[in-house]
Formats: sequence, structure tokens, C-alpha cells
Amino acid sequence: ETGVTQTPRHLVMGMTNKKSLKCEQHLGHNAMYWYKQSAKKPLELMFVYNFKEQTENNSVPSRFSPECPNSSHLFLHLHTLQPEDSALYLCASSGTGGNEQFFGPGTRLTVL
Amino acid sequence: SQQGEEDPQALSIQEGENATMNCSYKTSINNLQWYRQNSGRGLVHLILIRSNEREKHSGRLRVTLDTSKKSSSLLITASRAADTASYFCAPGGKLIFGQGTELSVKP
Repeated sequence: ETGVTQTPRHLVMGMTNKKSLKCEQHLGHNAMYWYKQSAKKPLELMFVYNFKEQTENNSVPSRFSPECPNSSHLFLHLHTLQPEDSALYLCASSGTGGNEQFFGPGTRLTVL
Repeated sequence: SQQGEEDPQALSIQEGENATMNCSYKTSINNLQWYRQNSGRGLVHLILIRSNEREKHSGRLRVTLDTSKKSSSLLITASRAADTASYFCAPGGKLIFGQGTELSVKP
């Protein structure tokens, strides 16, 4: 248990569906991150939030829409995804200074 | 920002042997971190070494940092089957990950 939880753990969706991934941290951290990990590829940093403000968007397609209502919660809204978006989506958080990151267990997403 | 390049990409050893994996990076850093990822799970932080440190230990882990060569190594001593995982280095404050080293420890 890292103190970072993600739901759901597994998700199967069609290309026309709309779904959301949720991440919650109970560590008092002020930075939260979304990563994508596809098979045989390095982790790709998608979004970074600091104190609820988005500070980084690594050219992520608009079909991925993040939301950070407070420092403890982070969402990733998904719509009209493609099969190549199938991957493990990892959430992480870190404290001031942004050094050590604590990762959630991930959501395994399959887009049919 | 930069990512580390881990080497080798894959390593297979017998239980009880030592495992060494290396990381190279390109620009100056304040610190470097190592993470482990079990298959299909999130990453777990192992150790952080600062730029003014040359070596650091944590249990069976030994990390070295050579800032002149822009490289780091992670040594796992007396490996166990449970050490089977992918290992990633992350140079600098921003965590950009490479392909990692996939370690397999056979019982």
C-alpha cells in the first residue's frame, strides 16, 4: 500500500464510450501525475498537476481530459478512445520538491 | 527533462547471485532515483542518491553515482525470486522513465 489508490483496476470500453479513471492520495501531497504505460514502451508522462493547477501536458490527445478538483483527487476522463490507447494508466503523487513519487496500482484499460 | 537509459534491457540470474544494472543520462542532475515495477503494477521507489553522494545502501541494495561519467548502478545482492521485476532509473527531479531493466531471478 503506497497511499495512492486507483479505480477501477480494470476497464474495458468501446471506442464510443465515455469513462473516467479516478486516483486518490492520502499522503498530503500537492503534486499528482498521470502516466501511460503501453506494452514494450517506456512510461509516458501525460499530465502533471501542482496545487490543483495543470503544469504539464505532454502533447496528449484531447480525447484524454484530466481533472484535479483538489490536491487529493485526480481524474482522467476518456472519450472516443482508440484501440492503441489500451495500456496501463498509472497515477502518482509527490510532496513539495517533487522528488520521490508514490504510485498507485494502475488501471488496465482495454479499448475494443 | 531527460530520461535515463538502463542497461542491460534484460538480465536473468539464479537465486543467491548478485544483479547489477546500470543507468546513463545526459545532463547534470541534483539526484537520481531508482524504482521497481512488478508486472502490471505501479512503480515502487527504492532509493534516491544525491549528486554529492557516491554510494548509498539500503538493505540488499547498493547504488553508486558517478557524476563525471553521468552514470549510476544498482546492485542487488543475494537476489531472491521476489526481486523479479523491472527496474527503472530516473535522473533529475522530473521523473521521466526509460525502458528499464527486466530482471528475472530463477529459484
